[in-house]
Amino acid sequence: DAKTTQPNSMESNEEEPVHLPCNHSTISGTDYIHWYRQLPSQGPEYVIHGLTSNVNNRMASLAIAEDRKSSTLILHRATLRDAAVYYCILRDVTSGSRLTFGEGTQLTVNP
Amino acid sequence: DAGVIQSPRHEVTEMGQEVTLRCKPISGHNSLFWYRQTMMRGLELLIYFNNNVPIDDSGMPEDRFSAKMPNASFSTLKIQPSEPRDSAVYFCASSPTLGGRYTEAFFGQGTRLTVV
Repeated sequence: DAKTTQPNSMESNEEEPVHLPCNHSTISGTDYIHWYRQLPSQGPEYVIHGLTSNVNNRMASLAIAEDRKSSTLILHRATLRDAAVYYCILRDVTSGSRLTFGEGTQLTVNP
Repeated sequence: DAGVIQSPRHEVTEMGQEVTLRCKPISGHNSLFWYRQTMMRGLELLIYFNNNVPIDDSGMPEDRFSAKMPNASFSTLKIQPSEPRDSAVYFCASSPTLGGRYTEAFFGQGTRLTVV
């Protein structure tokens, strides 16, 4: 599996934007970039995914570097409910559907 | 749809006993995953199935663990015999296919297993 690297922790203030980085320098052409988050005492929850172009949905935006070796998850206005562990995952959807989690980034949102 | 349903939500058992965890995936989803989560090791993929067939069980810790998917709507993860180090939260997830490509996975609420 191609590896991702994320900061262990980040802090933000409520109602401010948050940029969560992820490095994936060994990404292959068939790897999609997925982001999940896990709120306390819950199972992981899908946030967003993309291949090459930037993506937006109701939860977040995903900005993908032109060389695809890094990406950034953007929460436009952080709320206290966004405090969670955020996982950046590479998923090769052409060879099975293996979904492997790393250590993720613990996001703390201050009121 | 009620989402991925896991049972039981909590299980406390004595060392040496057999434990069976159950999962009902979302209807129509082609892939099913079993994970284990502990503070020390994080979220580990144990095994996953595509179309009811086990594809990769390299994450299963040892022969005491086994998983089955007899049909598209049910899967079990069995530990026999259980040991205290098996204490963890076990998650099941399922994922659909769109145009031949797998998309997001949906997770259940987990089963918290305590082996004493």
